[in-house]
Amino acid sequence: ETGVTQTPRHLVMGMTNKKSLKCEQHLGHNAMYWYKQSAKKPLELMFVYNFKEQTENNSVPSRFSPECPNSSHLFLHLHTLQPEDSALYLCASSFDRVPYEQYFGPGTRLTVT
Amino acid sequence: AQKVTQAQTEISVVEKEDVTLDCVYETRDTTYYLFWYKQPPSGELVFLIRRNSFDEQNEISGRYSWNFQKSTSSFNFTITASQVVDSAVYFCALSEAPQNAGNNRKLIWGLGTSLAVNP
Repeated sequence: ETGVTQTPRHLVMGMTNKKSLKCEQHLGHNAMYWYKQSAKKPLELMFVYNFKEQTENNSVPSRFSPECPNSSHLFLHLHTLQPEDSALYLCASSFDRVPYEQYFGPGTRLTVT
Repeated sequence: AQKVTQAQTEISVVEKEDVTLDCVYETRDTTYYLFWYKQPPSGELVFLIRRNSFDEQNEISGRYSWNFQKSTSSFNFTITASQVVDSAVYFCALSEAPQNAGNNRKLIWGLGTSLAVNP
């Protein structure tokens, strides 16, 4: 595998389900990011991890719970989501130094029913 | 405040036309970096180019070229002889030097320009 991978690519879940999104980077980076991309809205940065430590949480609801066990893996645990959480969730990674050039995975298309 | 503006929401061209995507940025800092990313229908954002604030040379890569002008705070992207495969959403983004960004490793994103190249 190369670059940034994300699984699953598509996910349909009910509002009471619990699921997890997985991201893995093979670039030797030490910072990882979760973004949310909704239709007709700008990219929203959700979380930033640097060397496994969370350095940013952009007021994301607690129904989204990130986990970063090491610099190569990032998870987003989902529970009791709302229909408005349906979106494309993108993972990215970068080195933790300027210019913070980010490389993205293909995204997980999430639909909450 | 940092800001990136992509005034063109949607552009539609016919194949082989040249097209320029505009990006205007705002920053208080003298050291910063600008990026262009491409998002095809598959969803993945693909890195295209990075430019730092001290390098105003224009860049050409095949049919793609970038015009960085600090005087107008613009970093425009031109596709020459466009092709259907160029159809995508294109994002411009800005990041600042860490002494100004603190621990903030964010990229400041524009809203994107959706380019449709029709056969």
